[in-house]
Amino acid sequence: EDKVVQSPLSLVVHEGDTVTLNCSYEVTNFRSLLWYKQEKKAPTFLFMLTSSGIEKKSGRLSSILDKKELFSILNITATQTGDSAIYLCASCEYNQGGKLIFGQGTELSVKP
Amino acid sequence: NAGVTQTPKFRILKIGQSMTLQCTQDMNHNYMYWYRQDPGMGLKLIYYSVGAGITDKGEVPNGYNVSRSTTEDFPLRLELAAPSQTSVYFCALGPYNEQFFGPGTRLTVL
Repeated sequence: EDKVVQSPLSLVVHEGDTVTLNCSYEVTNFRSLLWYKQEKKAPTFLFMLTSSGIEKKSGRLSSILDKKELFSILNITATQTGDSAIYLCASCEYNQGGKLIFGQGTELSVKP
Repeated sequence: NAGVTQTPKFRILKIGQSMTLQCTQDMNHNYMYWYRQDPGMGLKLIYYSVGAGITDKGEVPNGYNVSRSTTEDFPLRLELAAPSQTSVYFCALGPYNEQFFGPGTRLTVL
């Protein structure tokens, strides 16, 4: 059965800290790995990763995919209270209508 | 250009009642999806559609039905509401691979 597992499930840090969120996947016909941020409403898209070893970056956020070891990480540097959210990763397969399989999410809380 | 709209935003149902959650898009995407999110959990796919007239089941389709008569609309129907269907429901749309989510409908079944 295809699955996506995230760790840790929750994390509390202080402003300025750097955090690393983990996502492992077991998917039969892997196409891509996506990261979303959810702040008490709908998830918003962060990154889509399809190739191993190529870092995607947006401001203080970055992400990378390892297709050999079947995982991805999301890094947030110099965290701010506005980074507090649930971070979701999801896998997408080929020939499955683009549907996503989500992990449980990591709840990040950034304290001032 | 509203993107994805969902109605209603909130709803309380009694056990056994039925209702339709509406999802409408103006982005002309073929791919549309319905997910549910239970507290503290990720999203689970209920149904999806790759174009008008074509729908298919996701991970958790039991208790739900969908239709896709137009590109714009993808309603989700609950026929006999049960407490286990208490959740937040998100409609999402493509393009393939990268999905954009609507604002959600919070449903409580008592």
